[in-house]
Amino acid sequence: ETGVTQTPRHLVMGMTNKKSLKCEQHLGHNAMYWYKQSAKKPLELMFVYSLEERVENNSVPSRFSPECPNSSHLFLHLHTLQPEDSALYLCASSQGKRGGSSYEQYFGPGTRLTVT
Amino acid sequence: RKEVEQDPGPFNVPEGATVAFNCTYSNSASQSFFWYRQDCRKEPKLLMSVYSSGNEDGRFTAQLNRASQYISLLIRDSKLSDSATYLCVVNLDSGGYQKVTFGTGTKLQVIP
Repeated sequence: ETGVTQTPRHLVMGMTNKKSLKCEQHLGHNAMYWYKQSAKKPLELMFVYSLEERVENNSVPSRFSPECPNSSHLFLHLHTLQPEDSALYLCASSQGKRGGSSYEQYFGPGTRLTVT
Repeated sequence: RKEVEQDPGPFNVPEGATVAFNCTYSNSASQSFFWYRQDCRKEPKLLMSVYSSGNEDGRFTAQLNRASQYISLLIRDSKLSDSATYLCVVNLDSGGYQKVTFGTGTKLQVIP
């Protein structure tokens, strides 16, 4: 399935590095999401973009910086991360509908990040 | 109280058994509900939406009780391939996008 793609699939970085995660959706959706999934914890919603505008930022540390240049692409820029930031980072997209019922989300395969 | 609560399990059941998972949510304004399935080290994938009238998809039946803020998933005739973590998801439509809350998931292991 190639509806939502993420690169890289695996990333190992030191605490002083700067890296970026990329997400691309080919579904024509208008909302995109970043989630963090740590071991034995529920998915944590980090950021939401609707129509390329950030609409939610769930108290995420500033060392995570999202960017949404258009409705098909979403980036997560990483800098000076901590070891506890090691997790699976998942991107998702959906087709939101104003005033109507919510549509389901489609997830990318995730980037498994290890901070050393 | 957690926004979405699930029994983490694991549920270990023999092939062919019927198993039920429950989920409760705290926000009564929540508007849509889903069950996702997540295999080990993979991304979550939509299993089914949950409607007030209840809905069925093959061996899977989902129920919603808005008054009790309770969602259930029933799996009949369990297969080995059903082994996965089942995530309860509650959405609140918020002006064109969904405020999405995931449960911690219930792990199912179907045993031969």
